[in-house]
Amino acid sequence: NAGVTQTPKFRVLKTGQSMTLLCAQDMNHEYMYWYRQDPGMGLRLIHYSVGEGTTAKGEVPDGYNVSRLKKQNFLLGLESAAPSQTSVYFCASSYGGLYNEQFFGPGTRLTVL
Amino acid sequence: ILNVEQSPQSLHVQEGDSTNFTCSFPSSNFYALHWYRWETAKSPEALFVMTLNGDEKKKGRISATLNTKEGYSYLYIKGSQPEDSATYLCAFNNAGNMLTFGGGTRLMVKP
Repeated sequence: NAGVTQTPKFRVLKTGQSMTLLCAQDMNHEYMYWYRQDPGMGLRLIHYSVGEGTTAKGEVPDGYNVSRLKKQNFLLGLESAAPSQTSVYFCASSYGGLYNEQFFGPGTRLTVL
Repeated sequence: ILNVEQSPQSLHVQEGDSTNFTCSFPSSNFYALHWYRWETAKSPEALFVMTLNGDEKKKGRISATLNTKEGYSYLYIKGSQPEDSATYLCAFNNAGNMLTFGGGTRLMVKP
């Protein structure tokens, strides 16, 4: 089992460019999440999904879009990157919602110049 | 936005010391409290998921308690070892599908 994987590991963008981050899990989990982690702040939820074909907004959704076309994949898109989106992005998955631990991917470090 | 606070922000202890830190969260609409351990250059890994007032959970030298009525959880580490050095995160769930994370307590154990 690979667990939760993220692609790419690092990326540098220029302001205004777009990109997609891919998260994949092989644990047949229903729930998937995208977080960002910034210095001095805890993990903040961007978007999440409770099943294939569903997505919902988290705490900081502005500037991001997501899609969950397949159960095992959760994509995070930045349509027009801004320097404020420089961050480390973590994907996570869980079997269920409220009472289940989340399994995290290794993170993607994104720099927007 | 829910307020989840952890204290202290950082902690230096000597190998062999026992230590504890606190997670405070809103006492209303409680559903679950998670603890995660996050080593540098790795991903957060779950330690405990706690759901009932008075819950006590243990994994090796690490244990946690939960008081949902007053809105706090303690994480204890007995006989700290250098490999315990990490950031410990708590996260609160109040019946939605989202976890709200605290800022973490960074523990450094000196040999």
